This record gives sequence, C-alpha cells and structure tokens, in this order.
Amino acid sequence: DQQVKQNSPSLSVQEGRISILNCDYTNSMFDYFLWYKKYPAEGPTFLISISSIKDKNEDGRFTVFLNKSAKHLSLHIVPSQPGDSAVYFCAASAAFEAAGNKLTFGGGTRVLVKP
Amino acid sequence: DAGVTQSPTHLIKTRGQQVTLRCSPKSGHDTVSWYQQALGQGPQFIFQYYEEEERQRGNFPDRFSGHQFPNYSSELNVNALLLGDSALYLCASSSRRDYQETQYFGPGTRLLVL
Repeated sequence: DQQVKQNSPSLSVQEGRISILNCDYTNSMFDYFLWYKKYPAEGPTFLISISSIKDKNEDGRFTVFLNKSAKHLSLHIVPSQPGDSAVYFCAASAAFEAAGNKLTFGGGTRVLVKP
Repeated sequence: DAGVTQSPTHLIKTRGQQVTLRCSPKSGHDTVSWYQQALGQGPQFIFQYYEEEERQRGNFPDRFSGHQFPNYSSELNVNALLLGDSALYLCASSSRRDYQETQYFGPGTRLLVL
C-alpha cells in the first residue's frame, strides 16, 4: 500500500519557467510534509517542509502548497534553473507516532531544466 | 559544521555474508534513522534509534539490526545477505528538541550483493 505517491515520474521545463511537482497521500494521520532533492551519488537534501496547520510555505524560489481535503501537496520552483535538475522526493510523517517520526516517501519525480 | 557522514561509500559482498554500515549524525542531533533505497524507488524506512534504543521499525526482517552508541553514532548490520539487499543505504539524523524533527541525510552507502 503506497501511502505517498508521485504520479509524474519525470518533468521537463525550460530555464526561467515554473516547475510544478505534485504529490498525493492517503494516510489522514500525516501532519508534516517535506520535499527533498537528490542528485546522483548523493543523499537527499532537505528543501522545504510544511505542517498540516498551514496551507502554504515559501522559501526563496521554492513554495509548497498543501490541500488537506484533497490529500495533495505541490512544490513550485520559480524560476527554474539548470542546477535544479535532480530527482525530487515528497515525504510525510505523522506526529501521532510518538516513538519516532519515520518518513514515508513517494517514488520521486525526475526534473530536467533545459537551458 | 559537519553534516551527516556515512562509511563506507561503496561495498561489494557475496550472498550469505554479513555487512556493517556506519553513520555519524549531524552535530547537535540525537536521533538516527536508516533507510534503504532500491534503484528507481523512494527510500524505505528501516528503523530509528534514540537514546541507544530502537524506537520504531519498518517492514524489514530481523536480518536487519542496528545499534546506537553514547555519542549518537549508529551502525546498521545486515546478516545473511541476499541479492535483493543490493541498494543505497541512507542514514538520516534529527533532534528530538526540534519541532517536527526534520531529518537530514548523509551521502549513503551503496551496497552490491553478488
């Protein structure tokens, strides 16, 4: 049972344009969501997060939107730069798991930004 | 400020052997989580250690075990290796003092089982 899904395995965008990455989840107990970027041969790098008490969080070129009723979140990158070319993972955790905060990941979306 | 470090970077083993992977958390972090990432997939949670105890475990067999030391560093041990254990093993650290405990990842150890 895949609780976090990224339905688009890849995305190609022109430099300077907006990249929109989508993520859906099924577990209504998830209350904290994160986006990570991963380059080949490196570990995932934390980008931005959002708590379920918010519907938007912004950090520079990155904005994450959360729609709790639809169990959907998205990551917007504006403007896209060639260095943004990487695999992006959506992840979720549930605070009710008091013993820990394991992350459940989606399958990733490969982004290619063309110069 | 050093981030999360892992050793070794690459490892080749044969079926049936045992392997130990090591992780040092980011400075100030007290919790270590381990993930397995198979090719083309997202990371899968193995287990998490805090205060030298396993706090949470994912859907992995008992062949996977771990340890956390008083300095918060951690080891992941895998016994009786199978071909399917070939993957990138990621360590992440976080702090119980931080709200929501964002996890920061190391570069990973790539394990190949022949």
